[in-house]
Amino acid sequence: GAVVSQHPSRVICKSGTSVKIECRSLDFQATTMFWYRQFPKKSLMLMATSNEGSKATYEQGVEKDKFLINHASLTLSTLTVTSAHPEDSSFYICSASPLIGADTQYFGPGTRLTVL
Amino acid sequence: TQLLEQSPQFLSIQEGENLTVYCNSSSVFSSLQWYRQEPGEGPVLLVTVVTGGEVKKLKRLTFQFGDARKDSSLHITAAQPGDTGLYLCAGANAGNNRKLIWGLGTSLAVNP
Repeated sequence: GAVVSQHPSRVICKSGTSVKIECRSLDFQATTMFWYRQFPKKSLMLMATSNEGSKATYEQGVEKDKFLINHASLTLSTLTVTSAHPEDSSFYICSASPLIGADTQYFGPGTRLTVL
Repeated sequence: TQLLEQSPQFLSIQEGENLTVYCNSSSVFSSLQWYRQEPGEGPVLLVTVVTGGEVKKLKRLTFQFGDARKDSSLHITAAQPGDTGLYLCAGANAGNNRKLIWGLGTSLAVNP
């Protein structure tokens, strides 16, 4: 149980294009989903908290117009990196918290984004 | 600002050795989670500790939550190469909109 999928697992795009990453909770409903960015051998850096049906809450220093988050249902959240640049290249990971068992987050497998 | 200090950041040991990873804070957490992550994959939840003084065991891994719920430790007995990975602790605070406070991680390498 508590499986989170993420798609795509790997994407390469040209500078200036937009990339959408999907995060789905497969066997549970998630009121809250989180988007993280991670650099090699480093801990997770929270970008934003996404609540179903409401606007995402972004962490300080994260541009909301560049990283668009939509949490359309209790099982799906999307992150769109707009006008991507090489410095946006990173490992992006989503997580989901079930309605019950509030504190625990279950993670997707991550998306490796490379911007050329 | 809540902080969670995790140590050591890097650890390289031989197969069969024991090790302990620590997470410490001046803040009280409602619960604390330990995750293990392999390169190119998402973190996998190992355990959640909730009660002060709680001890949980997962095969050769022993997790302890401090009595005051401000610190936690992960002890691995007789480490094996398959234990290699990034270990992350994360603390939850009930009033924090479910956000977790993350330690910096411990990169463990177990050499055969």
